[in-house]
Amino acid sequence: AQSVTQLDSQVPVFEEAPVELRCNYSSSVSVYLFWYVQYPNQGLQLLLKYLSGSTLVESINGFEAEFNKSQTSFHLRKPSVHISDTAEYFCAVSASGGSYIPTFGRGTSLIVHP
Amino acid sequence: NAGVTQTPKFQVLKTGQSMTLQCAQDMNHEYMSWYRQDPGMGLRLIHYSVGAGITDQGEVPNGYNVSRSTTEDFPLRLLSAAPSQTSVYFCATSSWGNTEAFFGQGTRLTVV
Repeated sequence: AQSVTQLDSQVPVFEEAPVELRCNYSSSVSVYLFWYVQYPNQGLQLLLKYLSGSTLVESINGFEAEFNKSQTSFHLRKPSVHISDTAEYFCAVSASGGSYIPTFGRGTSLIVHP
Repeated sequence: NAGVTQTPKFQVLKTGQSMTLQCAQDMNHEYMSWYRQDPGMGLRLIHYSVGAGITDQGEVPNGYNVSRSTTEDFPLRLLSAAPSQTSVYFCATSSWGNTEAFFGQGTRLTVV
């Protein structure tokens, strides 16, 4: 079984400041790692994922996450946030070679202030 | 393509009533799952299916039933609704060929 811990329930930042949302996972098997974003009153959508290869993965809107196997972490970063990045962010893990049904963390609410 | 469609979007039930939340997908994905989202709890897996005729329990299955008679549909049944089942419910699909999970827009259920 896998589990995910998101260390911050809420992260307030000012616009154009950098941000890091922290995620640690636990698993006895190899995993795939994901960040999903949920805008108000919507479903979840994939932001980025790590399957294999380069440990640094990027999204099209400037977010990046780095897989650190030794620290079992997959932190999400953005060098300069916008008001439109205000949303709930979920870290998720699934067993590689499994059924791709992810286990989610409790979520981090990113609040960007002008 | 509609993707993953959930109905209804909103529902109010009285304690003890039963109802079915519908989930339909047109992506031909093998895997379908139901999650509930509660404040501070993230998404918790209720039930999932790896193909037609095959279902299994997730983390919080009590009070819910599922069946999967076709690839496209995966209904979630509440047999006797309780206030503790007040939540937002999400259906998701995924497949062997695509590791990403695709979500419906959610059903907001209130049990009074």
